[in-house]
Amino acid sequence: DSGVTQTPKHLITATGQRVTLRCSPRSGDLSVYWYQQSLDQGLQFLIQYYNGEERAKGNILERFSAQQFPDLHSELNLSSLELGDSALYFCASKPSGGYTGELFFGEGSRLTVL
Amino acid sequence: SQQGEEDPQALSIQEGENATMNCSYKTSINNLQWYRQNSGRGLVHLILIRSNEREKHSGRLRVTLDTSKKSSSLLITASRAADTASYFCATDEKSSGDKLTFGTGTRLAVRP
Repeated sequence: DSGVTQTPKHLITATGQRVTLRCSPRSGDLSVYWYQQSLDQGLQFLIQYYNGEERAKGNILERFSAQQFPDLHSELNLSSLELGDSALYFCASKPSGGYTGELFFGEGSRLTVL
Repeated sequence: SQQGEEDPQALSIQEGENATMNCSYKTSINNLQWYRQNSGRGLVHLILIRSNEREKHSGRLRVTLDTSKKSSSLLITASRAADTASYFCATDEKSSGDKLTFGTGTRLAVRP
């Protein structure tokens, strides 16, 4: 158990819909990362937050948005869903204070768009 | 975009044999990490090697880093069926702050 919690574990929805994925980082971790893993694209970095502020941005679509709340949990909002958005979405957290390394991953949210 | 490219994409070996996976990357890095992913599960950190290190060991794992060639290798010795998983390298690029960029992964199958 990494200590990172993601909900829901599985989600099936239709094209055009909107979903919200939730992540609770490990206790005390200030950094939250979101990654998308699909069969043909590998693990793609979407966005990173640090203590509520956006720190780095990757190939995140305009239809996607994220935020980190004062209690440090984060949400990834996916709207106008398309078939190609079907993927595993991972959240990861990292300790702060000069720690340079390891990310702790949640078990992911599997999104299926029909 | 992918920073790292793993080679081979897939590897099948017999239990007890050694498994070697390679990773190439494109830009200057602070460190390189290897992660393991069991099918459909979250990634688990295995080992980190800093840019000023050339080799590191952890149990049955040995990682090398050649910054002049922008490449790294992960060796798993005396493999077990439980080592069956996908293995990813990830780089912490000097120019991108905290972003950790993952490679495409190597799928390892260890036959009992």
